[in-house]
Amino acid sequence: ILNVEQSPQSLHVQEGDSTNFTCSFPSSNFYALHWYRWETAKSPEALFVMTLNGDEKKKGRISATLNTKEGYSYLYIKGSQPEDSATYLCASLWNQGGKLIFGQGTELSVKP
Amino acid sequence: NAGVTQTPKFRVLKTGQSMTLLCAQDMNHEYMYWYRQDPGMGLRLIHYSVGEGTTAKGEVPDGYNVSRLKKQNFLLGLESAAPSQTSVYFCASSYGQGVRETQYFGPGTRLLVL
Repeated sequence: ILNVEQSPQSLHVQEGDSTNFTCSFPSSNFYALHWYRWETAKSPEALFVMTLNGDEKKKGRISATLNTKEGYSYLYIKGSQPEDSATYLCASLWNQGGKLIFGQGTELSVKP
Repeated sequence: NAGVTQTPKFRVLKTGQSMTLLCAQDMNHEYMYWYRQDPGMGLRLIHYSVGEGTTAKGEVPDGYNVSRLKKQNFLLGLESAAPSQTSVYFCASSYGQGVRETQYFGPGTRLLVL
């Protein structure tokens, strides 16, 4: 079974700060890497799916990069806003059958 | 379009009691999943289904059973609840098995086993 690690576990930043966090996954038998955003009392929502080494995805102020050879992905948030406060989950696709293995998440808190 | 719904939202059980959690999706998705979420551990896959009438074990299947009699519904059963099954349970679904398929999550069921 894959082991997906995220760091840091939690992060507290001020409004306007830019921040980034890491997802590490086994680089062998890689299929895809998913990022989800999970607000308190809501359901996780998909942000990005990346499959190719060097992939970069962007949605507004949030972007992500992927390095499949070394087994990591970075999520960046530019100019954090209080509404960005959430837990950010990454998940690696275990096999082509759709099974995702999730990391424990990075909890981001943005103070106004 | 309701997406993924879960019933009930919250439940308290005594040790040894049984219950069934219902997940329903109206997106005509083939794949459905049950996860549990515990503090500091992220989401862990309990069971999943790749289509009507099929089920398979995930990472932490012990103590749970599932059924997928209809394409839109995925049931999670606890035959004899234990305090270790206190958790938040999330159901998810996806259209297919392509590597780019994202999963759509329900709102969660909070279960407390005393």
